[in-house]
Amino acid sequence: GAVVSQHPSRVICKSGTSVKIECRSLDFQATTMFWYRQFPKQSLMLMATSNEGSKATYEQGVEKDKFLINHASLTLSTLTVTSAHPEDSSFYICSAREARDYEQYFGPGTRLTVT
Amino acid sequence: GQSLEQPSEVTAVEGAIVQINCTYQTSGFYGLSWYQQHDGGAPTFLSYNALDGLEETGRFSSFLSRSDSYGYLLLQELQMKDSASYFCDRYNQGGKLIFGQGTELSVKP
Repeated sequence: GAVVSQHPSRVICKSGTSVKIECRSLDFQATTMFWYRQFPKQSLMLMATSNEGSKATYEQGVEKDKFLINHASLTLSTLTVTSAHPEDSSFYICSAREARDYEQYFGPGTRLTVT
Repeated sequence: GQSLEQPSEVTAVEGAIVQINCTYQTSGFYGLSWYQQHDGGAPTFLSYNALDGLEETGRFSSFLSRSDSYGYLLLQELQMKDSASYFCDRYNQGGKLIFGQGTELSVKP
């Protein structure tokens, strides 16, 4: 149980285009989902927290207009990187948590390369 | 502050025991969690400590001392597959997980 999927696993896009990444909880209802970014050989950096049906809460320094997050249902959250630039190239990982549970279940990640 | 400190890398041999220490700042602290991440993969949950003491799960144990703002992950009977990055992470209000910088563990034959 407690499986989280992400799609796509890898994506290459051109500078200036937008990319959407999906995060799904497959066998549980995720009241809260989190989006992280990880650069090579570095730790995971929390970008934003999203609760179903409400606006995402962004961490300091993360541009909300550039990284659009939607949590439309208890099993799906999406991250859209708008007007992507090469410096947005990174490993994006989502996690999901059930209500009153401390454990976060991580998706397999999406490797974004912007050319 | 909310930062955590842990060693950047540790090397040990198969069959040995290794302890990865973690210190944290107390502001907004709810509990300490440990995750393992193999290169290119997703983090996987190892343990969570909200109260002082030792939690044991198979070969892995985790300890927390809230009065010392300190915890550790103990890995016993090391295997080659344990080579990975280990993150101590703090839980804050709202269930946010703040990752430490990670310790890269290399297990040698």
